[in-house]
Amino acid sequence: GAVVSQHPSWVICKSGTSVKIECRSLDFQATTMFWYRQFPKQSLMLMATSNEGSKATYEQGVEKDKFLINHASLTLSTLTVTSAHPEDSSFYICSATGLQTPNTGELFFGEGSRLTVL
Amino acid sequence: AQSVAQPEDQVNVAEGNPLTVKCTYSVSGNPYLFWYVQYPNRGLQFLLKYITGDNLVKGSYGFEAEFNKSQTSFHLKKPSALVSDSALYFCAVRDYEKLVFGTGTRLLVSP
Repeated sequence: GAVVSQHPSWVICKSGTSVKIECRSLDFQATTMFWYRQFPKQSLMLMATSNEGSKATYEQGVEKDKFLINHASLTLSTLTVTSAHPEDSSFYICSATGLQTPNTGELFFGEGSRLTVL
Repeated sequence: AQSVAQPEDQVNVAEGNPLTVKCTYSVSGNPYLFWYVQYPNRGLQFLLKYITGDNLVKGSYGFEAEFNKSQTSFHLKKPSALVSDSALYFCAVRDYEKLVFGTGTRLLVSP
């Protein structure tokens, strides 16, 4: 099956700093990647959809200047949390789909990145 | 808009007993439905999907789900639960290229 890798798995940072999370498709070209945020004991909230080479489409209520998404290549998308604050602490998960993945409808997910802002 | 609902926050079952995790859907057109499982601090693992065809869908780890159009349901089932099945389960529906998730159901299987 298609493999999606996220890095880092865990990150702790000080308030006011920026943090970058990477999402890579290892064995396929990801034409579209999705970034989700998951609060404790809650469901996944879609933050944005990114297509390779174009600007990300953000869901309503998600600050695009706060959460910068770049999808510069067919195998890499990055999420940068700018000027992070404790309320940004969360579990961030990416998923991907692409031309080479089986045309079966499901998305393939990374292992997630736990961000803790002190 | 496409949506799914998981009415139970938590399901408790004894090991060896059958389990059911409920999901209902609301869609326009034909639904593309999915079940995923999430273990603590991990991403989501795909279990099974319904696109078309047989209403009973078999998936990974012995799980299956039954698509019921009249009841707009897609309940996840397993004949005999294992302690290792304890996890968070999400029902989802495809909305164009996106997946829309339910609120999740925590399954606890006791020894």
